[in-house]
Amino acid sequence: NAGVTQTPKFQVLKTGQSMTLQCAQDMNHEYMSWYRQDPGMGLRLIHYSVGAGITDQGEVPNGYNVSRSTTEDFPLRLLSAAPSQTSVYFCASSRQDRADSPLHFGNGTRLTVT
Amino acid sequence: GENVEQHPSTLSVQEGDSAVIKCTYSDSASNYFPWYKQELGKGPQLIIDIRSNVGEKKDQRIAVTLNKTAKHFSLHITETQPEDSAVYFCASRISSGSARQLTFGSGTQLTVLP
Repeated sequence: NAGVTQTPKFQVLKTGQSMTLQCAQDMNHEYMSWYRQDPGMGLRLIHYSVGAGITDQGEVPNGYNVSRSTTEDFPLRLLSAAPSQTSVYFCASSRQDRADSPLHFGNGTRLTVT
Repeated sequence: GENVEQHPSTLSVQEGDSAVIKCTYSDSASNYFPWYKQELGKGPQLIIDIRSNVGEKKDQRIAVTLNKTAKHFSLHITETQPEDSAVYFCASRISSGSARQLTFGSGTQLTVLP
């Protein structure tokens, strides 16, 4: 099973450039989310979605956009990259019908903004 | 909002010894407490979880304890092995509405010395 697939694995951007981080899951999960991981700060929620057409902001949404046109895909867009967005980004999904459903994470995208 | 504190940030143990990682949470409405293990270059993976109606749960060499009164929960790994070396994250969740976000601790880098 593929699970949660993130692309690319690594990316270097210049300040002001835009890009989209891709995330796809094949488990028919309703809930999908994006986290960023920074040293000493754990995992912080950027945006999440509870189904196609529904998105909402997490703890650190500024500078990021998301959309959810299908159940499978949940791309994260950086419209104008800033050095503060240098981080490792993780996409995660879970079932929506049970509150204790575990999150399934992808293997991350390491982004460097120069 | 919920705040989760995790200690220690780094932990080194000799192979065969036990390791304990502790977390505290702030919101008494939290009722689900998972632990995730993140190996190098990978996304976090759920290793054990506990619900607020249970005080302790074991799975082979791993156990989690919960003290609801003190708002503490801990991960115990016995007979540690080199493959236990990883970053461990605790998390808590308040199950309300459709937004079932996890709040993560800042992580513990566990190193098991051979």
